[in-house]
Amino acid sequence: KAGVTQTPRYLIKTRGQQVTLSCSPISGHRSVSWYQQTPGQGLQFLFEYFSETQRNKGNFPGRFSGRQFSNSRSEMNVSTLELGDSALYLCASIGGSGANVLTFGAGSRLTVL
Amino acid sequence: SQQGEEDPQALSIQEGENATMNCSYKTSINNLQWYRQNSGRGLVHLILIRSNEREKHSGRLRVTLDTSKKSSSLLITASRAADTASYFCASPSTSGTYKYIFGTGTRLKVLA
Repeated sequence: KAGVTQTPRYLIKTRGQQVTLSCSPISGHRSVSWYQQTPGQGLQFLFEYFSETQRNKGNFPGRFSGRQFSNSRSEMNVSTLELGDSALYLCASIGGSGANVLTFGAGSRLTVL
Repeated sequence: SQQGEEDPQALSIQEGENATMNCSYKTSINNLQWYRQNSGRGLVHLILIRSNEREKHSGRLRVTLDTSKKSSSLLITASRAADTASYFCASPSTSGTYKYIFGTGTRLKVLA
């Protein structure tokens, strides 16, 4: 079965712009989580969605938002980009027989200039 | 910060040697997991140990868990060059949720 798919894989934006990242979870997985990974802060939890509802949220400013669609696909958006938003954004899904185990996508690497 | 701590931060060993990395976490947990990440790509799940387990094996991996000390260790035996990666522990921030807190990671380099 197909894994977690994240698009785009790489993108470059300038300060002040906004960006939308997409994540398609493993078929049948209803929980999707997002993480930000930077060299300085490591892996930081952004938010988790289950059945189109945000269940958990990390300690990020309101510029970071997300949503989940009825087919479990999820998007996250970052508005008014700052240099510090440059990071690898990882999406992970949970579900099925592997409950509690995160299956990650390859990530979207965002560079803000 | 809620983030767990791992040590060492970096480890360099020869092929065939064993590698041990340690993780400390801060909350009560129902499970702890270890993941591997190659070169800034997505993480891959390695092993899960439940809070009522003290030790678990999977191939060349051995994980221990000490809930009284809030710590875990991952042992990779007979390491190979392909084991070169970063290793992270992860635990739920609150028991029963899918909000996971990751450790700072150990960068392992296995020299051929």
